[in-house]
Amino acid sequence: QTVVTQEPSFSVSPGGTVTLTCGLSSGSVSTSYYPSWYQQTPGQAPRTLIYSTNTRSSGVPDRFSGSILGNKAALTITGAQADDESDYYCALYMGSGIWVFGGGTKLTVL
Amino acid sequence: EVQLVQSGAEVKKPGESLKISCQGSGYSFTYWIGWVRQMPGKGLEWMGIILPGNSDTRYSPSFQGQVTISVDKSISTAYLQWSSLKASDTAMYYCMRQDGLGTYYFDYWGQGTLVTVSS
Repeated sequence: QTVVTQEPSFSVSPGGTVTLTCGLSSGSVSTSYYPSWYQQTPGQAPRTLIYSTNTRSSGVPDRFSGSILGNKAALTITGAQADDESDYYCALYMGSGIWVFGGGTKLTVL
Repeated sequence: EVQLVQSGAEVKKPGESLKISCQGSGYSFTYWIGWVRQMPGKGLEWMGIILPGNSDTRYSPSFQGQVTISVDKSISTAYLQWSSLKASDTAMYYCMRQDGLGTYYFDYWGQGTLVTVSS
């Protein structure tokens, strides 16, 4: 079964830059997987940040950007703010209507 | 305004059945609707997805046979149901709409339904 991998945790200083990644247990992530990214704060429903690798969802600040780095999808936060402290999930479209979410990255801003 | 409104929290006993709902509004109910599970303190797990127009349904191998996803397009509502709950089904469940423009992502999310299964 396909496993989507994410760093369990990451920390960044306020104003700093952090890149979270989304990989596959076997193989490389490409744009063909339509990687998307979701932010979730405790007690809230997920919020869509990035789709189709690098397109920001409506209302998402431009400090969030998506890309492919090597064989993984990546979410970069440039100029991190305190309220960016959240859990971040990537999702990959595997085709035939099937999706897989990564295990999530808990981002701490301190 | 597009909205997905889920049914309220449920407390059930092991072995009981349950059907939770997700009602769409503010758009044509023709987009794929998916469900994810979030167990306490854990991540999002994709369960399955349904196309309201023809009830075409796809399941994660992890959830195939464990749950049933259905839809009543006449009332713009998707459902997630269990025939015999287990304590391990205790979780928050979210529905979400898959964008219909070929870009493949989930653009709107429900507020979540907390299911607690305990004897």
